[in-house]
Amino acid sequence: GAGVSQSPSNKVTEKGKDVELRCDPISGHTALYWYRQRLGQGLEFLIYFQGNSAPDKSGLPSDRFSAERTGESVSTLTIQRTQQEDSAVYLCASSPTTGIQETQYFGPGTRLLVL
Amino acid sequence: GEDVEQSLFLSVREGDSSVINCTYTDSSSTYLYWYKQEPGAGLQLLTYIFSNMDMKQDQRLTVLLNKKDKHLSLRIADTQTGDSAIYFCAERNSGGYQKVTFGTGTKLQVIP
Repeated sequence: GAGVSQSPSNKVTEKGKDVELRCDPISGHTALYWYRQRLGQGLEFLIYFQGNSAPDKSGLPSDRFSAERTGESVSTLTIQRTQQEDSAVYLCASSPTTGIQETQYFGPGTRLLVL
Repeated sequence: GEDVEQSLFLSVREGDSSVINCTYTDSSSTYLYWYKQEPGAGLQLLTYIFSNMDMKQDQRLTVLLNKKDKHLSLRIADTQTGDSAIYFCAERNSGGYQKVTFGTGTKLQVIP
């Protein structure tokens, strides 16, 4: 596609339920990132994928959060047993290459509300 | 760890210049970025500056970097209503290309 797409655009769930968020990166982009943006706050790094290398999971806030990516394609972010503090916009970004001048192309985000 | 700070809100009149400021703490920053986020959309890269530069100009945008004070600013000349958005400052350190730290964002409101 022309840009990074994410689905669903909005998700309302009940506390304790599991949710799965999807990201379709730009074709050919080897790097993929997930960020969380709480209301009124900056972007919080969650996880980074680069090709077939082991992902950098250092930003995941708890073991309830996990993410997968098959090769250089779609990624899913799963939040188990959701809590109200998980409510945020989850942003995905992809990048064509690694390196110091790398820039990131962002998707529109998934707005998650946990009731 | 790294910290990037911005004021939360700025209001300007259409046609005036806007100046959005950012401070950061990481002295090993290599690239500094400005991203724009329009309502309901993701972040879009506006411009970036390498840490050994003082200024970069791109049409209506001027980026100024004071590395000594760790201060970055974005000036938008002749601000238009279409410039209304949230502007994020971000820095990348030399320790790892995946560690881009974003500020809280400055919401720019342009009054017609």
